[in-house]
Amino acid sequence: AQKVTQAQTEISVVEKEDVTLDCVYETRDTTYYLFWYKQPPSGELVFLIRRNSFDEQNEISGRYSWNFQKSTSSFNFTITASQVVDSAVYFCALSEVYQTGANNLFFGTGTRLTVIP
Amino acid sequence: GAVVSQHPSWVICKSGTSVKIECRSLDFQATTMFWYRQFPKQSLMLMATSNEGSKATYEQGVEKDKFLINHASLTLSTLTVTSAHPEDSSFYICSGNFRGMETQYFGPGTRLLVL
Repeated sequence: AQKVTQAQTEISVVEKEDVTLDCVYETRDTTYYLFWYKQPPSGELVFLIRRNSFDEQNEISGRYSWNFQKSTSSFNFTITASQVVDSAVYFCALSEVYQTGANNLFFGTGTRLTVIP
Repeated sequence: GAVVSQHPSWVICKSGTSVKIECRSLDFQATTMFWYRQFPKQSLMLMATSNEGSKATYEQGVEKDKFLINHASLTLSTLTVTSAHPEDSSFYICSGNFRGMETQYFGPGTRLLVL
């Protein structure tokens, strides 16, 4: 069965601090995708990154970086020099791949990040 | 990235009425659309998956006669909450993807309040 665990329910940091959001997943599939989405107070889910199970390279995009470690089934997300605009709920998600092409997403419970000015 | 719109963004209705929510993919053809429900401070729960021209596949526990989903075209899916009750009040979000496109792109969501 697929499962995504985000153990941190809420995190508060002071502006300019670095923060890491943890994500641990379970799946029996050998081919899968991992995602991070940001949900600001407006409610819309904003796609941040997608990683496939065969690509363990870490990725950096501006102040955002992601650490994918298959050995520990983790896909952690780090924000460096956090800003108030980073305040949001962040969801980690796992996607299976079906022959039909539809990709069901399994979401974690989300981590609410508050950046204090 | 791909853009998905939802209408309306807010709806308040009386108990017993039906509410229709539209989800449109604006710059891509969504062969599959997904409908999620999110209660306050909770994660997204998948309600159903629909492929264009086919009947929707509902998740366990979701009443298909209460939540009618139509995916008549590659750019439009609708969710109708029939005979809405206060417990149906929630944030409803749709997403779409195209066969072979691994990422789901989400609409802005619709907040439903049933009085």
